[in-house]
Amino acid sequence: NAGVMQNPRHLVRRRGQEARLRCSPMKGHSHVYWYRQLPEEGLKFMVYLQKENIIDESGMPKERFSAEFPKEGPSILRIQQVVRGDSAAYFCASSRDRRDSEAFFGQGTRLTVV
Amino acid sequence: QQPVQSPQAVILREGEDAVINCSSSKALYSVHWYRQKHGEAPVFLMILLKGGEQKGHEKISASFNEKKQQSSLYLTASQLSYSGTYFCGTEIRRRDDKIIFGKGTRLHILP
Repeated sequence: NAGVMQNPRHLVRRRGQEARLRCSPMKGHSHVYWYRQLPEEGLKFMVYLQKENIIDESGMPKERFSAEFPKEGPSILRIQQVVRGDSAAYFCASSRDRRDSEAFFGQGTRLTVV
Repeated sequence: QQPVQSPQAVILREGEDAVINCSSSKALYSVHWYRQKHGEAPVFLMILLKGGEQKGHEKISASFNEKKQQSSLYLTASQLSYSGTYFCGTEIRRRDDKIIFGKGTRLHILP
């Protein structure tokens, strides 16, 4: 039973390029959450998705950032025209249908913008 | 809406006990506790639902006081492997709500 899979583990982008981060939830999980973490800081909520629906994107910047969780395939966090301030670790977590179940995290994608 | 954790950092010797607190300004449905080691993913420890329950996991246990809107994580006879940053995450509503995490408590265990 594979855990939450994120890829790539490390991503380097030049300023102005696009970054696409992928997250495959655990088998049987239909809820996905994306968090951003800066060094020595906490996990900042970005977006909460269920299959084909964005439930809450209150933590996501209005511009350049988007997320999706299609019926088939992984969840994608997309950052367009990256800037140096986007450099961070991006974690996704998944949980089962029932909301009072635990959420499991992937290993994260470390984005570096140069 | 972000829960407040205290203390921010703790240094203990192996075998000592620690308590990490998490409090919210809003009524909570559940509290989640995670531990993260440097450069790694947060690892789930336990979830507590409203009802004032207490849970245990080896020598790590937690309580949830719904009325006071707070939870505490208890680490008994700490081991070197307990070092890391502990995060509490809170949910306000039962369904369709996100988990909001506190800023974390850094725990360092000395041999």
